[in-house]
Amino acid sequence: DTAVSQTPKYLVTQMGNDKSIKCEQNLGHDTMYWYKQDSKKFLKIMFSYNNKELIINETVPNRFSPKSPDKAHLNLHINSLELGDSAVYFCASSQEIRTRSARGGNTIYFGEGSWLTVV
Amino acid sequence: QKEVEQNSGPLSVPEGAIASLNCTYSDRGSQSFFWYRQYSGKSPELIMFIYSNGDKEDGRFTAQLNKASQYVSLLIRDSQPSDSATYLCAVSGRGYSTLTFGKGTMLLVSP
Repeated sequence: DTAVSQTPKYLVTQMGNDKSIKCEQNLGHDTMYWYKQDSKKFLKIMFSYNNKELIINETVPNRFSPKSPDKAHLNLHINSLELGDSAVYFCASSQEIRTRSARGGNTIYFGEGSWLTVV
Repeated sequence: QKEVEQNSGPLSVPEGAIASLNCTYSDRGSQSFFWYRQYSGKSPELIMFIYSNGDKEDGRFTAQLNKASQYVSLLIRDSQPSDSATYLCAVSGRGYSTLTFGKGTMLLVSP
């Protein structure tokens, strides 16, 4: 049973296309994330949702739009793909995001990643 | 801007030695500190977390935290070739917060 699952695992697409990556978690967590890992392996937060509500939106182009139909799902839609969007996109979830009471409860669990290549 | 700094490495150690991985962070309000391991082509997986000053041990791994120096480290005793991976330090702050990751240190354990 995969705790955080995302599809597709590999995606090769042409510039200008629109694509989506889906994510589901069965851990009962309230918070879900999208992280991007670039070619230099730097892992950077893109979005965070808590109970379907967007709470963190880092400096990400408007072409990226997350959607959370319920707290177990967080999908990422990307419009007008560019070469620079090529990266690994990790979905993740955590139980608690309010760090005052977290004490490690905000441990993030990652999905297996989606390798996006834009050509 | 929260920053987490790690030496990118690679850190090379022989099998059986102690590997010491270091991390510094800029936000004094940071509350929880995490070490993740990432094998090539895989997703990061949690090794351990620490939130109090001092040492925390889990098997061959020991996390050390010094909030005054804004410094966290991970010691791996009896290093094995299977420990060869990139180790990511991550820090969370206060309020609604997510984890800020360092760029990772690549560890190579030679047989």
